Amino acid sequence: DSGVTQTPKHLITATGQRVTLRCSPRSGDLSVYWYQQSLDQGLQFLIQYYNGEERAKGNILERFSAQQFPDLHSELNLSSLELGDSALYFCASSVGVGTYEQYFGPGTRLTVT
Amino acid sequence: AQTVTQSQPEMSVQEAETVTLSCTYDTSESDYYLFWYKQPPSRQMILVIRQEAYKQQNATENRFSVNFQKAAKSFSLKISDSQLGDAAMYFCAYRVNVLGGYQKVTFGTGTKLQVIP
Repeated sequence: DSGVTQTPKHLITATGQRVTLRCSPRSGDLSVYWYQQSLDQGLQFLIQYYNGEERAKGNILERFSAQQFPDLHSELNLSSLELGDSALYFCASSVGVGTYEQYFGPGTRLTVT
Repeated sequence: AQTVTQSQPEMSVQEAETVTLSCTYDTSESDYYLFWYKQPPSRQMILVIRQEAYKQQNATENRFSVNFQKAAKSFSLKISDSQLGDAAMYFCAYRVNVLGGYQKVTFGTGTKLQVIP
């Protein structure tokens, strides 16, 4: 158990809908990262937050957005969902930025039908 | 742009034997980190081993060790005395700390390891 929690574990929704994925980092970690893992693919970095501020953006679609709240939990919002958005979404956290290790949560499996 | 290549989509090994998973990467950076992550059927990403590029000594964690060849940009994972619980997808990952302090991580496409009893 990495100490990073993600809810829900599974999510099934229809095309065109909007969903919110939630992540709680390890106690004391200030930085949160979101990754997308499509079927049989490696992980693609989406976005990073540090202490409430966006720090880096990767291959994140405009239909996706994220935020980190004062209590440091983070939410990833996915809207106008398409079949291709079906994937495993991971959250990771680290103490800070720089050389700190990233610890991964168990992931949220999103299925868009 | 940094790329990470795992040329073996699938590998198999007999229980108790040794297997080596390959990974190559491309970068113009001199200071970076390399990782191997294990993803079992539970889909949890588990850090297996890490290597700092500035260290010449190869990292070792129990039955797991790496062969880091910086000039060749090669980072292979050796699993000794393979166990059934080692069966998983293994991802090689490269991390560089970009100006401004954020971490850019690039993953390979993975190698699926089967352990045969």
